[in-house]
Amino acid sequence: AQSVAQPEDQVNVAEGNPLTVKCTYSVSGNPYLFWYVQYPNRGLQFLLKYITGDNLVKGSYGFEAEFNKSQTSFHLKKPSALVSDSALYFCAVRDPGGYNKLIFGAGTRLAVHP
Amino acid sequence: KAGVTQTPRYLIKTRGQQVTLSCSPISGHRSVSWYQQTPGQGLQFLFEYFSETQRNKGNFPGRFSGRQFSNSRSEMNVSTLELGDSALYLCASSLGRGQGSRDTEAFFGQGTRLTVV
Repeated sequence: AQSVAQPEDQVNVAEGNPLTVKCTYSVSGNPYLFWYVQYPNRGLQFLLKYITGDNLVKGSYGFEAEFNKSQTSFHLKKPSALVSDSALYFCAVRDPGGYNKLIFGAGTRLAVHP
Repeated sequence: KAGVTQTPRYLIKTRGQQVTLSCSPISGHRSVSWYQQTPGQGLQFLFEYFSETQRNKGNFPGRFSGRQFSNSRSEMNVSTLELGDSALYLCASSLGRGQGSRDTEAFFGQGTRLTVV
């Protein structure tokens, strides 16, 4: 079965420091991977996707993600965190047999401290 | 370009009632998916509609149903509400051109917060 794991419930980082939010996946075939961010009482905002090509994907708001096929990982990164980055982050994979169905991880809460 | 619009934003219903939620996708998007978000179960896929046809369904009871209109707007209905149906219901739209399409990112609405009392 296809699945996504986000091993950390919460990540704490100081403003200005680099951040990493981890994601691993299990899916048959080539994965279509996504990162979304959710602010309180809001829907999900698309950050970036990996379909094929370069393993380092750049997205919105200075975020990037590194695809690693051998480790089946797709970690979200940012060189310098902002307090405004504090939110809930979701990694997702498209179900290979399910058209646009997304399978989400449990989410990681990012807290950036001043 | 307008984003995905969901109405209403908040709903309070009583057990046993039914509810209809509405979603207007981004112009030009033909695929609409629905997700349920709860603290305990996270984000779970309900169903996807494309060109007025349901082409994928998640593992939810038959009380959960939906439909899509010719203008791609979609509605989701929950009958005989239970306390456990309290959740944030999210609608997502995408171009949805096909199984192997690279234009595959989904854009979400702000959700409808349903509270069942």
